[in-house]
Amino acid sequence: DAGVIQSPRHEVTEMGQEVTLRCKPISGHNSLFWYRQTMMRGLELLIYFNNNVPIDDSGMPEDRFSAKMPNASFSTLKIQPSEPRDSAVYFCASSPRTGGELFFGEGSRLTVL
Amino acid sequence: SQQGEEDPQALSIQEGENATMNCSYKTSINNLQWYRQNSGRGLVHLILIRSNEREKHSGRLRVTLDTSKKSSSLLITASRAADTASYFCATPYGATNKLIFGTGTLLAVQP
Repeated sequence: DAGVIQSPRHEVTEMGQEVTLRCKPISGHNSLFWYRQTMMRGLELLIYFNNNVPIDDSGMPEDRFSAKMPNASFSTLKIQPSEPRDSAVYFCASSPRTGGELFFGEGSRLTVL
Repeated sequence: SQQGEEDPQALSIQEGENATMNCSYKTSINNLQWYRQNSGRGLVHLILIRSNEREKHSGRLRVTLDTSKKSSSLLITASRAADTASYFCATPYGATNKLIFGTGTLLAVQP
């Protein structure tokens, strides 16, 4: 298996622009997670899907952030409008079972100018 | 929050030495996991220890869990320069079992 695939790997955009990050989980995994990593705040869980349904979105910072999982093989995290404080590395991870080990993608490094 | 705290925040050792990292957490858990992150890369799962286990081994890794103290330790024996990375503990939390990560230990192994 190719593992969790994220795109783009790097994104530089200007404040106010819309950003869409994409994730393809490992086939057969039923849980998908979006995390954000910064030096100041470490790894923060943004949202967690189980069987394509959002289970916990309490970590989504504000209404500018939204996430979807239209099917078992694809998820998006959208930021609209983006702000400089959104600059971070965004990781997608999938898991074969609830509470089990996570398999991470290589991350999407976002820079908002 | 359930976030774990790793100790120390940073550790520098010589190749061949052992490295020990500690993790403390706040509430009851059913398992605890350790992950490694190389610079600029995603996290990689190392080992999972269940709440009814006290010790687990995987190659040069040894993990202990003390549920009475709400703490875990990760020991890397005979360290190598390639072990240089950040190490995180993580625990499932709450009714949804979302995985929450600690603050991490940055390990530098000098050749």
